[in-house]
Amino acid sequence: QVQLVESGGDLVKPGGSLRLSCAASGFTFSDYYLSWIRQAPGKGLEWMSYISGTSGDKYYADSVKGRFTISRDNAKNSLYLQMNSLRVEDTAVYYCARGRDTFNWGQGTLVTVSS
Amino acid sequence: DIVMTQSPDSLAVSLGERATINCKSSQSVLHSSNNKNYLVWYQQKPGQPPKKLIYWASTRESGVPDRFSGSGSGTDFTLTISSLQAEDVAVYYCQQYYSTPRTFGQGTKLEIK
Repeated sequence: QVQLVESGGDLVKPGGSLRLSCAASGFTFSDYYLSWIRQAPGKGLEWMSYISGTSGDKYYADSVKGRFTISRDNAKNSLYLQMNSLRVEDTAVYYCARGRDTFNWGQGTLVTVSS
Repeated sequence: DIVMTQSPDSLAVSLGERATINCKSSQSVLHSSNNKNYLVWYQQKPGQPPKKLIYWASTRESGVPDRFSGSGSGTDFTLTISSLQAEDVAVYYCQQYYSTPRTFGQGTKLEIK
């Protein structure tokens, strides 16, 4: 079955950087768009970015454009999110998800931005 | 961006009774090319990621109990649980995939009365 396992979440200071990873299994990785979606503590869901199977199509939400970069390595069945210039309001659980339209979700990894 | 608004924010229903959650989009998510509504419903239980329940507004995901149903078209949608079970306690979200950015409703918390 579809399995997505995120890692890399941590406590980081404002202005810092972090790289999240997502290891996928149970499907033909390169055939699918993948997305990152986040959920601030006790809050709702915010879609942030997607990437096509070939990496030729990428899209970012305005809230992260210019600060976050999505990438993938099809040889490693892995998805990444490079997060720079982190802000307190970026504190959230970050989910890796299969799809661009509707999503199958990983378990998430917690990113805390605090001084 | 398409704004998704759910109502109510929270809901308490007795076991075995019907639960109804509404979702309204700020513009139509019905695509004229295929007459499909680009609307999905998710269920999120405490401490878990969201789980897809219904897509195309009314198509149940494989394995989802048939007490869950979706209806509506254009800008107004409804998720109905016909007979509430204890395991249905969760937050429910709608999401549009008609346009980018994908956007979610704020969530509806469903509890047992």
